[in-house]
Amino acid sequence: GENVEQHPSTLSVQEGDSAVIKCTYSDSASNYFPWYKQELGKRPQLIIDIRSNVGEKKDQRIAVTLNKTAKHFSLHITETQPEDSAVYFCAASRFSGGYNKLIFGAGTRLAVHP
Amino acid sequence: EPEVTQTPSHQVTQMGQEVILRCVPISNHLYFYWYRQILGQKVEFLVSFYNNEISEKSEIFDDQFSVERPDGSNFTLKIRSTKLEDSAMYFCASRTGQGLSYEQYFGPGTRLTVT
Repeated sequence: GENVEQHPSTLSVQEGDSAVIKCTYSDSASNYFPWYKQELGKRPQLIIDIRSNVGEKKDQRIAVTLNKTAKHFSLHITETQPEDSAVYFCAASRFSGGYNKLIFGAGTRLAVHP
Repeated sequence: EPEVTQTPSHQVTQMGQEVILRCVPISNHLYFYWYRQILGQKVEFLVSFYNNEISEKSEIFDDQFSVERPDGSNFTLKIRSTKLEDSAMYFCASRTGQGLSYEQYFGPGTRLTVT
């Protein structure tokens, strides 16, 4: 069935370093890949997303890359700051006819140390 | 900025009881979803809803579950005869369905504890 694997489960970096989180999806028909950030006790919030017709997308310190052939996509955070500490979830979706359930990875707990 | 809201934030119920979790999606959104997250596990899709009917549901969403949009603003998830394993955080989400955005906006969740 549909599955998304996410690694690592925890990631600890020093402030200013880069962080990379990787996901692999199983459904080759997936065409939409969002990343959500969830701070403790708060709702998941979209930070960046990418569609299958694009290989890379960047928004300030955050970038996402997609390799459709390998069914991999990754989140890159540069110049990390303590406020980047949160749980990050990747997801994959087959967007078709307006319907798009999200299949989530297990999450990565990122800790940025000052 | 408009947000999805959910009530209650925490619901404690006894095994076998029925619960209704309530959500108010963003007002001009057309697509609605329920997800759940058992403690320590990944967020799982339960059901999607569009045009007053279920558009897709997961294997989890069996006869124990039902959804309803009773009026123009609320979207509810009913769980009948709750079981211990129904204990989880339940998230509602909504999506506009207009323009080019695919984004699903999540509510803050309802933590359901079945004792």
